[in-house]
Amino acid sequence: DAGVIQSPRHEVTEMGQEVTLRCKPISGHNSLFWYRQTMMRGLELLIYFNNNVPIDDSGMPEDRFSAKMPNASFSTLKIQPSEPRDSAVYFCASRSGLTQYFGPGTRLTVL
Amino acid sequence: TQLLEQSPQFLSIQEGENLTVYCNSSSVFSSLQWYRQEPGEGPVLLVTVVTGGEVKKLKRLTFQFGDARKDSSLHITAAQPGDTGLYLCAGLMNYGGSQGNLIFGKGTKLSVKP
Repeated sequence: DAGVIQSPRHEVTEMGQEVTLRCKPISGHNSLFWYRQTMMRGLELLIYFNNNVPIDDSGMPEDRFSAKMPNASFSTLKIQPSEPRDSAVYFCASRSGLTQYFGPGTRLTVL
Repeated sequence: TQLLEQSPQFLSIQEGENLTVYCNSSSVFSSLQWYRQEPGEGPVLLVTVVTGGEVKKLKRLTFQFGDARKDSSLHITAAQPGDTGLYLCAGLMNYGGSQGNLIFGKGTKLSVKP
């Protein structure tokens, strides 16, 4: 299995631009999570899905952030418009039982 | 307020030394996990502990879950440079019998010098 796949691995954009991060979970996993990691705040949960349905989005910072999971094999996290304070590493993870697998992350830099 | 407090935040030791890192909370968790994260990669699960007082060993790593399921420790014997990384603890809280999400600590950044 290829594991959790994220794209792009690196994204540099300018303030105000739209950013879309993509995730392909491990086949058969029914839970998908989006996290953001910074030095100051550590690893923060943004949103998670069970069986493609959003369960808890209380970690989404504000309306500029949105996430979708149109099917069991694909999810997106969109930031529109992006701001410099959104710069961080964004991780997608999928889970089967108690075992959670993280993707390699997308390093986002907003100038 | 951080639900899971990890200490120390940073630890720099020489190869061969022993170390312990701690993960503490005032909340009870149904299970607790330890992850290791290397630069440029996502966290990788090391172990899951479920029962209060449980001890698990993974080669030179020993993990313990507190009796009250509020805290945990990770002990590394004879540390090696390959142990260098960010160690994260994460607690799982169940909601109404269904699995919820993991709550992560901020991590302990370990550096083992040869």
